[in-house]
Amino acid sequence: QLVLTQSPSASASLGASVRLTCTLSSGHSSSPIAWHQQQPGKGPRYLMKLNSDGSHIKGDGIPNRFSGSSSGAERYLTISSLQSEDEADYYCHTWALGIHWVFGGGTKLTVL
Amino acid sequence: QVHLVESGGGVVQPGRSLRLSCAASGFTFSNYGIHWVRQAPGKGLEWVGVIANDGNMKYYADSVKGRFTISRDNSKNMLYLHMDSLRDEDTALYYCAKEIGVADMIDYWGQGTLVTVAS
Repeated sequence: QLVLTQSPSASASLGASVRLTCTLSSGHSSSPIAWHQQQPGKGPRYLMKLNSDGSHIKGDGIPNRFSGSSSGAERYLTISSLQSEDEADYYCHTWALGIHWVFGGGTKLTVL
Repeated sequence: QVHLVESGGGVVQPGRSLRLSCAASGFTFSNYGIHWVRQAPGKGLEWVGVIANDGNMKYYADSVKGRFTISRDNSKNMLYLHMDSLRDEDTALYYCAKEIGVADMIDYWGQGTLVTVAS
């Protein structure tokens, strides 16, 4: 069964960098994922599609501060030069066999 | 630019039906699969289902299979979610979302429409 695991929370200081992790369940380590950001009170926003080799395709207007990388079953979202507006929930998602899509539980990022 | 606008949400009693709509613009609607995703109050995102670009293939989450039906009208750039036998746990903000490509990730989202199931 395809499951995406995310830490419930993360925090980092203004201007610093933070790396969020999304872990694919066993047997799915080669699957691509997508990262989405949801700021408080808003709908989700697509950040990027991230492949198992670390290559990624960002959405329109996504700043260079947002980058993705991969290692085995882990997919990372790194945000550098943190700004207050980066405080949000971050979700990863992927699909299985093109017939079932799943989301991770989300990580709530606090910018200190 | 891509624009997705949901409508049709409201308060409905358990066991009743409701139909949501999603109006799309800014892209060639008939070329893309479209998803419904929901978010219960204070909770994370939950995938509901997807319809292929031509409407021939549809897949649903187990939690809604047999109760929800997705359809589309490519001549009107419209997507629909027909929800039957609604339960308290279906209370959520419902988003429609466009795929990047065939059976691919989501790259654009609407702003959502709220469905509240309560007696």
